[in-house]
Amino acid sequence: AQKVTQAQTEISVVEKEDVTLDCVYETRDTTYYLFWYKQPPSGELVFLIRRNSFDEQNEISGRYSWNFQKSTSSFNFTITASQVVDSAVYFCALRGYSSASKIIFGSGTRLSIRP
Amino acid sequence: ETGVTQTPRHLVMGMTNKKSLKCEQHLGHNAMYWYKQSAKKPLELMFVYSLEERVENNSVPSRFSPECPNSSHLFLHLHTLQPEDSALYLCASSQARGAGGGEQYFGPGTRLTVT
Repeated sequence: AQKVTQAQTEISVVEKEDVTLDCVYETRDTTYYLFWYKQPPSGELVFLIRRNSFDEQNEISGRYSWNFQKSTSSFNFTITASQVVDSAVYFCALRGYSSASKIIFGSGTRLSIRP
Repeated sequence: ETGVTQTPRHLVMGMTNKKSLKCEQHLGHNAMYWYKQSAKKPLELMFVYSLEERVENNSVPSRFSPECPNSSHLFLHLHTLQPEDSALYLCASSQARGAGGGEQYFGPGTRLTVT
């Protein structure tokens, strides 16, 4: 069975603080893909990043960084120097190689950045 | 026009009405999806079409009827809905069958209210 757990339901920080969103996953596939999506108040889910299971290099994109740790089955997302525009619901997701097209989404973390 | 578009963006319908939601993708993908997102609930995958063939139907009531006439278009036909069907309906597309990571790209959603 495949599962994605985002234990943090809601997080609220003051602008310019750093914040980390946790994601823990379960899969029996040896090849799999992990994703992060952002859902702003407008409703559309925006694709942020894909990580392959065979590539454990961490990634940085501007103020965003992702830490993939296969040993702990975690794929955490850090926003540095947060801004009000970062306020959204963030979803972590998993696709096992055997599951064809289906992606399993976590329940999401609502992030609020206070000015 | 680029990406994934959905119409209408907002829909209010009575329980005896028949309406259809439309989704169109301009990304050259060959898999399309319908999701339901209710308040305080995780994303629910409703239907998956891969190469225009329905490959998944997650125990969705028959009052929801999908149609995929070609790889660029997806419809969700609605009839005799219930108030609990009020939700945000999201369409997504991706490359199917393990081609790349299979990340899904989402439309802006249709906010449906059943009165």
